[in-house]
Amino acid sequence: GAGVSQTPSNKVTEKGKYVELRCDPISGHTALYWYRQSLGQGPEFLIYFQGTGAADDSGLPNDRFFAVRPEGSVSTLKIQRTERGDSAVYLCASSRDSGHYNEQFFGPGTRLTVL
Amino acid sequence: GENVEQHPSTLSVQEGDSAVIKCTYSDSASNYFPWYKQELGKRPQLIIDIRSNVGEKKDQRIAVTLNKTAKHFSLHITETQPEDSAVYFCAAPIQLYNNNDMRFGAGTRLTVKP
Repeated sequence: GAGVSQTPSNKVTEKGKYVELRCDPISGHTALYWYRQSLGQGPEFLIYFQGTGAADDSGLPNDRFFAVRPEGSVSTLKIQRTERGDSAVYLCASSRDSGHYNEQFFGPGTRLTVL
Repeated sequence: GENVEQHPSTLSVQEGDSAVIKCTYSDSASNYFPWYKQELGKRPQLIIDIRSNVGEKKDQRIAVTLNKTAKHFSLHITETQPEDSAVYFCAAPIQLYNNNDMRFGAGTRLTVKP
């Protein structure tokens, strides 16, 4: 079946602009995660959804970052007033959110470059 | 909050040798510990995981051991091959009874020299 998809694959923007990154999880996966990965680093947790609600948003670095998942499927990560330090690969993952099946399936990522 | 520390950050071995990567975690209630492999330019993929009701799990050349008392778990790769070269990440949950809320280690870059 189809895996997790993310669009766009690459996004170049100018400092101060607004960007939206989209994630399509595996069908039926109720848990969805956003991570940020800089070169040579591990995935840095941003936010985790269970269904439509954010179960843990403690990783969002500041109020310029916001994410939604209005229908419990597709999610959008929104970044306002982008800064050069926001440049990274943004990874989305989904999982079945059940007691024994916790494997997170990652998307290919969106490489964000803020000039 | 949960701290997941991973060592070493880089590891270089000769083909055929073993490689061991270790992670420590801080929340004694954690009970699920996965390992992910990320090849260059690709997405992380789960290679093995372990739950706290067992101390070791094997899958061919890969094994994971868990020491709950010491709060650490390790990835063991035997008979390493060049295609094992990648970055490996451990992860651990930070919420009791919720294995979905995970934090990742900083990664270990493994290089297997032919």
